[in-house]
Amino acid sequence: GAVVSQHPSRVICKSGTSVKIECRSLDFQATTMFWYRQFPKQSLMLMATSNEGSKATYEQGVEKDKFLINHASLTLSTLTVTSAHPEDSSFYICSATRQGAGTGELFFGEGSRLTVL
Amino acid sequence: AQRVTQPEKLLSVFKGAPVELKCNYSYSGSPELFWYVQYSRQRLQLLLRHISRESIKGFTADLNKGETSFHLKKPFAQEEDSAMYYCALKLTGGGNKLTFGTGTQLKVEL
Repeated sequence: GAVVSQHPSRVICKSGTSVKIECRSLDFQATTMFWYRQFPKQSLMLMATSNEGSKATYEQGVEKDKFLINHASLTLSTLTVTSAHPEDSSFYICSATRQGAGTGELFFGEGSRLTVL
Repeated sequence: AQRVTQPEKLLSVFKGAPVELKCNYSYSGSPELFWYVQYSRQRLQLLLRHISRESIKGFTADLNKGETSFHLKKPFAQEEDSAMYYCALKLTGGGNKLTFGTGTQLKVEL
């Protein structure tokens, strides 16, 4: 159990368009999901914490109007990159915690690679 | 501010040799440390956490508060250990928000 799925796994879009990435917990309820961004050969950078039914909490330096996060249900969080530009090209990863799981244990999605032309 | 440092980007060892992946942290509170692993073409997954004091796949890690370290060790490396390893720090009262190190690529050669 504890599977997190992201969709799409790869997306290519034109500059100026918006892209939505979905993160689903398939077999558990996730009250909290996290969105990370990973640059090549670098660490995961936490972008925001997504809480079901409330506004996301963004990390310092992350533009909330640029990266819209919605956590409408206990199994789904979405990240929308608005008016995407080439510098938004990156690998986006979501993770979720499962109620009852050991503290600090995150279950990760497979990641979504965004390429903005 | 909290920080996790993994000084080695790449560590290459021969099969059967001991492995030590270094991790140092800076945090003024009481830390919880974790090791996550990412095998080729797979997602990140938890390897072990210091509070459990467990050994997973032969790996162990001891939290040394004096040296602010949480090095990952295995006495005899196996080919299937080749992967990307991330050390992570959870802040007290921070929910499950983790700060990750930059990762170390472990390559076990035959």
